[in-house]
Amino acid sequence: IAGITQAPTSQILAAGRRMTLRCTQDMRHNAMYWYRQDLGLGLRLIHYSNTAGTTGKGEVPDGYSVSRANTDDFPLTLASAVPSQTSVYFCASSDARGAPDTQYFGPGTRLTVL
Amino acid sequence: GQNIDQPTEMTATEGAIVQINCTYQTSGFNGLFWYQQHAGEAPTFLSYNVLDGLEEKGRFSSFLSRSKGYSYLLLKELQMKDSASYLCAVKGGDYKLSFGAGTTVTVRA
Repeated sequence: IAGITQAPTSQILAAGRRMTLRCTQDMRHNAMYWYRQDLGLGLRLIHYSNTAGTTGKGEVPDGYSVSRANTDDFPLTLASAVPSQTSVYFCASSDARGAPDTQYFGPGTRLTVL
Repeated sequence: GQNIDQPTEMTATEGAIVQINCTYQTSGFNGLFWYQQHAGEAPTFLSYNVLDGLEEKGRFSSFLSRSKGYSYLLLKELQMKDSASYLCAVKGGDYKLSFGAGTTVTVRA
């Protein structure tokens, strides 16, 4: 059982380019999340999905979009990357069927936008 | 908004005890989580508190006081492998997690 996988592991991207970060979970969790982690700021929620077919905005959604076509996959797209989107991106999932609803994290994608 | 504060860094000696404090001000409360994150890796779940009191799990314990907006994570019998960042996260009234910036613990021989 892999848990949560993310791809790519790292990427260097020119500003203005489009990029999709992939996230797949095999735990049949209902809810999935995308966070970015920046030094000194901690993890901040970008977008989330409580169940397949639904998505919602987190704390820092601007410049990002997501889709949730099925239970397992939750891709994050940067339509036109900017240097301020340089960060480490973590995908997470949770069962969302009651407390504590613990979130489990993927290994992360390190993205550099030049 | 949510405000979660924890110290930036702590250093302790192998075999000692370290207490990491976390204070929070959130809109609603539905539980507090502690995660461990080694450098370059994903956060991993350590503990969960939703009621006041102490939860013990091996060498790690976590305490919660909801009236004071306060929690701590206690690491006992420190080992070198405990060198990591420890993240305090609160589930607010919207059931979303808000994270503190993390406390980097360095264990020295």
